[in-house]
Amino acid sequence: GAGVSQTPSNKVTEKGKYVELRCDPISGHTALYWYRQSLGQGPEFLIYFQGTGAADDSGLPNDRFFAVRPEGSVSTLKIQRTERGDSAVYLCASSRMGTSGRGSQETQYFGPGTRLLVL
Amino acid sequence: GDSVTQMEGPVTLSEEAFLTINCTYTATGYPSLFWYVQYPGEGLQLLLKATKADDKGSNKGFEATYRKETTSFHLEKGSVQVSDSAVYFCALGGGADGLTFGKGTHLIIQP
Repeated sequence: GAGVSQTPSNKVTEKGKYVELRCDPISGHTALYWYRQSLGQGPEFLIYFQGTGAADDSGLPNDRFFAVRPEGSVSTLKIQRTERGDSAVYLCASSRMGTSGRGSQETQYFGPGTRLLVL
Repeated sequence: GDSVTQMEGPVTLSEEAFLTINCTYTATGYPSLFWYVQYPGEGLQLLLKATKADDKGSNKGFEATYRKETTSFHLEKGSVQVSDSAVYFCALGGGADGLTFGKGTHLIIQP
């Protein structure tokens, strides 16, 4: 079956521009996550959706970052007024269900990522 | 907050050597623990996981045991192959409902 897909695979933009990154999760997965991976680092959690609602957006670095998932499937990560420090690989993951509290046992399946370069 | 510390790379081994990649964590409660692998040019894939203390996760000849007393989840393989060359990430599932990852360990296996 199809895995998690992300588009575009690469995005080059200029400082100050607006970008949208798209994630198509595995069909039937209710939980969706966004992560950011800088060079030489592990992925860092940004935001988690359970269905249509953002259950936890504590990882978003500032108010330039926003994500939506209006129909509980596809999600879009939006970055306003991009800065050079936003350059990174943005990863999306989905799982059958999320959790509340500790002990997340569900496997998260990752997409290939969108490599964003802000010039 | 939660954190994961794993050994710095790159780790270079000869084929058929024994592999250990150390991973220790800091967390409150009892999170699930994961090893993810990223092969060259590919996305992150789950390698194995353990959801409670003393559980052993295993896959493709790799093993890791959830040790609560030492807060560790070291990855081991008895005989590595060139095809095991990749970046390995230790991660824990915490209360934020996202995974907390280590920085990754680049493994290079030479024939």
